[in-house]
Amino acid sequence: EAEVAQSPRYKITEKSQAVAFWCDPISGHATLYWYRQILGQGPELLVQFQDESVVDDSQLPKDRFSAERLKGVDSTLKIQPAELGDSAMYLCASSDEHGTSGRVEQFFGPGTRLTVL
Amino acid sequence: SQQGEEDPQALSIQEGENATMNCSYKTSINNLQWYRQNSGRGLVHLILIRSNEREKHSGRLRVTLDTSKKSSSLLITASRAADTASYFCATAPSSNTGKLIFGQGTTLQVKP
Repeated sequence: EAEVAQSPRYKITEKSQAVAFWCDPISGHATLYWYRQILGQGPELLVQFQDESVVDDSQLPKDRFSAERLKGVDSTLKIQPAELGDSAMYLCASSDEHGTSGRVEQFFGPGTRLTVL
Repeated sequence: SQQGEEDPQALSIQEGENATMNCSYKTSINNLQWYRQNSGRGLVHLILIRSNEREKHSGRLRVTLDTSKKSSSLLITASRAADTASYFCATAPSSNTGKLIFGQGTTLQVKP
């Protein structure tokens, strides 16, 4: 069964360092989402891509976070510099071409657990 | 910002009992979805109910939606230890582009 792949699964870094997370969505899924989930809370959308274009990045802290999906397939989320408050689970999800209508489910990867020391 | 408020925050029951979780939201929606998350893992889609539907079933799951009260409930019947997880409701706002807004979640523990 097709799955969303994410790496690394765990990342420990010191504050002020740069970190990057990678996501490979299910083949053929045009819509890709990055979420941040703080322990004990629900996921919060950081950025949504439709193919290679950003659809929604209103909650992305653009002073330190960046995301790209250059060829409309896999995606990278970067944080530079990392802060203590960035410690969280970073989840990637994808949905098919009708995902922008909000009518279909999102498929989630296993997430990257980030700890900033 | 999160739209959904879930109730209760935590629920502990015995195997075989039913578990009910509630979700309230603020804005008009296209659909509402429920997801499960096992500890430290990604989320798994359980069920989707559209704004023009009132009730939906999938196996041991029953979801209701009351758009006049902006609320939904998830019922898990005959619970099993394997149902132990966190459950999240997520709304797709009718004015939006596929974005889901998640609630805070309900942590369910099913004791064997």
